[in-house]
Amino acid sequence: AQSVTQLGSHVSVSEGALVLLRCNYSSSVPPYLFWYVQYPNQGLQLLLKYTTGATLVKGINGFEAEFKKSETSFHLTKPSAHMSDAAEYFCAVSEGGGFKTIFGAGTRLFVKA
Amino acid sequence: DAGVIQSPRHEVTEMGQEVTLRCKPISGHNSLFWYRQTMMRGLELLIYFNNNVPIDDSGMPEDRFSAKMPNASFSTLKIQPSEPRDSAVYFCASNPTPGLRNTGELFFGEGSRLTVL
Repeated sequence: AQSVTQLGSHVSVSEGALVLLRCNYSSSVPPYLFWYVQYPNQGLQLLLKYTTGATLVKGINGFEAEFKKSETSFHLTKPSAHMSDAAEYFCAVSEGGGFKTIFGAGTRLFVKA
Repeated sequence: DAGVIQSPRHEVTEMGQEVTLRCKPISGHNSLFWYRQTMMRGLELLIYFNNNVPIDDSGMPEDRFSAKMPNASFSTLKIQPSEPRDSAVYFCASNPTPGLRNTGELFFGEGSRLTVL
């Protein structure tokens, strides 16, 4: 069975600082991994995804994530935080070929001026 | 292009009343998902459909919940009778890629916020 663990329900950074949001997953088959962002009163939007191939994937708004199979991790980073990055971020896993996507509990990112 | 469209955006009802939430997926998308989001439980997958057929409804909390997809462009989630613990944001999402090439990428609607008094 798939599962996703996001470390830290809240992360606070200063504007311009590095953003690091942690995600570990469990999957019985090679996973497809995703990060989604949710702004207040909106649905989730895809930031980036890993399916196969290059383990470092780049997404929108300057975010990137690296798939590390040995660590079963898919951490999300951004070199320099912007105020507009304040939102909730969800890591998700899908075992592909099927249809279930399981989400982590979410990490709320606060960006201080 | 229109995204996933959900209605109503907000619903306030009294305990015991029937609630129907509606979803129109993106045209051409073959899979449709209903999720529920609460502070306590996060995002829970309730049910998903492929080509209008329910594939897995193991996430539906109890018999008070039912979902249908009568055609490729419309789905409903019904709660009858509703209870205060059903208060949540209900999201519909659709997925463009069928079968074994399905990577699970989801396109979400803006959600229906349900409050049961």
